[in-house]
Parts: sequence; structure tokens; C-alpha cells
Amino acid sequence: GAVVSQHPSRVICKSGTSVKIECRSLDFQATTMFWYRQFPKQSLMLMATSNEGSKATYEQGVEKDKFLINHASLTLSTLTVTSAHPEDSSFYICSATPGVNYGYTFGSGTRLTVV
Amino acid sequence: AQSVAQPEDQVNVAEGNPLTVKCTYSVSGNPYLFWYVQYPNRGLQFLLKYITGDNLVKGSYGFEAEFNKSQTSFHLKKPSALVSDSALYFCAVRQGTSGSARQLTFGSGTQLTVLP
Repeated sequence: GAVVSQHPSRVICKSGTSVKIECRSLDFQATTMFWYRQFPKQSLMLMATSNEGSKATYEQGVEKDKFLINHASLTLSTLTVTSAHPEDSSFYICSATPGVNYGYTFGSGTRLTVV
Repeated sequence: AQSVAQPEDQVNVAEGNPLTVKCTYSVSGNPYLFWYVQYPNRGLQFLLKYITGDNLVKGSYGFEAEFNKSQTSFHLKKPSALVSDSALYFCAVRQGTSGSARQLTFGSGTQLTVLP
């Protein structure tokens, strides 16, 4: 149980376009989901906490207008990278938990390449 | 603020030998501690967690970790390493309070290489 599905796994887009990444909890409801960014051979940096039915909470230094988060249902959160630039190229990972005693489950990640 | 330190960027061990990946943490109150493993271009896979109870926690794939409150450590161990254990390992912590989900803070990661 506690499966998180993330799509797409890999996307290449042109500079200036927008890309949407989906994160779904398949067998549990998640009022909160987390979005991380990971640079090569580095740790995961929390970008924002996605809250169902309310605004996301962004970490310091993360542009709200660049990284739009929508958590419209208890099983789906989306991250949209708007007006993407090459420096946005990275590995993005989402996470959710049915409750801390169950641990945190991570999506398989999305490799974004902006050309 | 909560933080995690993984002092070793790289750990090399021969197959069949025991392995240890170190982790120390800082958090207010009681910690919830986690270990995850990541293979290239993949998400994180859960290995084990400490919430409460026995200080020695057993997890997936033969891994275990010992919670040491006085040393604020949560080192990952395995009695006999396999080549397939080679991967990137992350320790994570969150504040152990009840209520809604809280974000994890991750260590910098330790690349484990098991040599045949």
C-alpha cells in the first residue's frame, strides 16, 4: 500500500513553455503532498508543501509564480513549471504520507530538461 | 529548525563485509527518523523508520538502524553487503509531533559502493 504515482517520468520542453507534473496517491488520501527538487548527486530540497483545498506553502527562495502548485483533490497534486528556462532543468520528486506511522512515500520522479 | 548530517559523501565496502552509513540529526523534541535509498533517475525507496519503541529498527533488504538519543545518531547498518546495495542513501528527520503531515529534512546523501 501507500503508492504515489508521478508523471511524466521524463520531459523535454522548449525554453519559454510550461510543463505540468502530476503526483497521485493511488491507495490513500493525502491532504498534504510535498514537492522536492534534486540536482545531480545532491540532496532533495523541499520546494513547497501542497495543501488540498488551499494555497501551497513555498520554501524561501522558491518563486511562487514560476512553480505553480494545485492540490484540487485528496489524491492529486500538480506542479507546473511556467515559462521554463534551462536553469529549471532538474529532477523533481513528489511525496505524500497516509500518516507518519506509515512513513513517507515518494513518486518515481520527473526528469525535466529545458532546451 | 531541523537538520541532518551525513558526514560521508562516499562509502566503499567489500561484498560480504558489514556496512555502516552514518547519520546525525538535530530537531526539537522527539525525532521521527527515516532512511531511504535512491537508484539513478529514480525516486526514493523507503528502508526503515524510527518513530518510537525499540532503538534498534529493522527494515527492508536486511538493513537496520540504531537510534541513539544521547549521540543524536541514527546510523544505517547491514551485516553483509551486496553489490546490489550500491546506491545513494539518504537519512531524513522530522519533528515528532502529532497532527498534520510535516515535511522531512534530508541529509546530503551518501553514495555506497559495494565492491565485488
